[in-house]
Amino acid sequence: RKEVEQDPGPFNVPEGATVAFNCTYSNSASQSFFWYRQDCRKEPKLLMSVYSSGNEDGRFTAQLNRASQYISLLIRDSKLSDSATYLCVVKITGFQKLVFGTGTRLLVSP
Amino acid sequence: DTAVSQTPKYLVTQMGNDKSIKCEQNLGHDTMYWYKQDSKKFLKIMFSYNNKELIINETVPNRFSPKSPDKAHLNLHINSLELGDSAVYFCASSHPGGTSNSGANVLTFGAGSRLTVL
Repeated sequence: RKEVEQDPGPFNVPEGATVAFNCTYSNSASQSFFWYRQDCRKEPKLLMSVYSSGNEDGRFTAQLNRASQYISLLIRDSKLSDSATYLCVVKITGFQKLVFGTGTRLLVSP
Repeated sequence: DTAVSQTPKYLVTQMGNDKSIKCEQNLGHDTMYWYKQDSKKFLKIMFSYNNKELIINETVPNRFSPKSPDKAHLNLHINSLELGDSAVYFCASSHPGGTSNSGANVLTFGAGSRLTVL
């Protein structure tokens, strides 16, 4: 089983739609969680950290469910510029490495 | 004022050659990484250095040799290149420790080096 799993998509949504992605992780010792965004042929960039109590940044909401070992990202009022691959990232306690999921591709159309 | 810069951006070479990719960060971070992103877009860690000391080596063939002359630089040398080495190689840096709330463990990536082995 992969350490971090995501549905690769693509998710095709119209502008203005709400879309949600889930990510599951296998190691219960996972400590820190993040969502990164990667545009085509570009480097990944941090979108937001995921806090235990859940957190929101504008149109983006991240949730963590430790019991079920999954993280979610909700995007409201999708924009064309949200089209990208969204990478779920997990840091495991005691290891100085971040493990990336394979990413979920989002395509927002007019 | 690029935070993490890597060169070259594109590299096309023949099988069997030896090549290097250089990386420098001006963020004052303690930890630097090399990640490989293959054709299926899977981003996998290869190495990590903390203050010039190797802390992660993820079962990478010994044809790959990282070198960190100081904590702001982490270079990647690849010997005897193979077709399967074709990928995008990303350098990254971070501050270790702390929690996600403190901004620790957040990776800043370079723009990537696209290696094509013919």
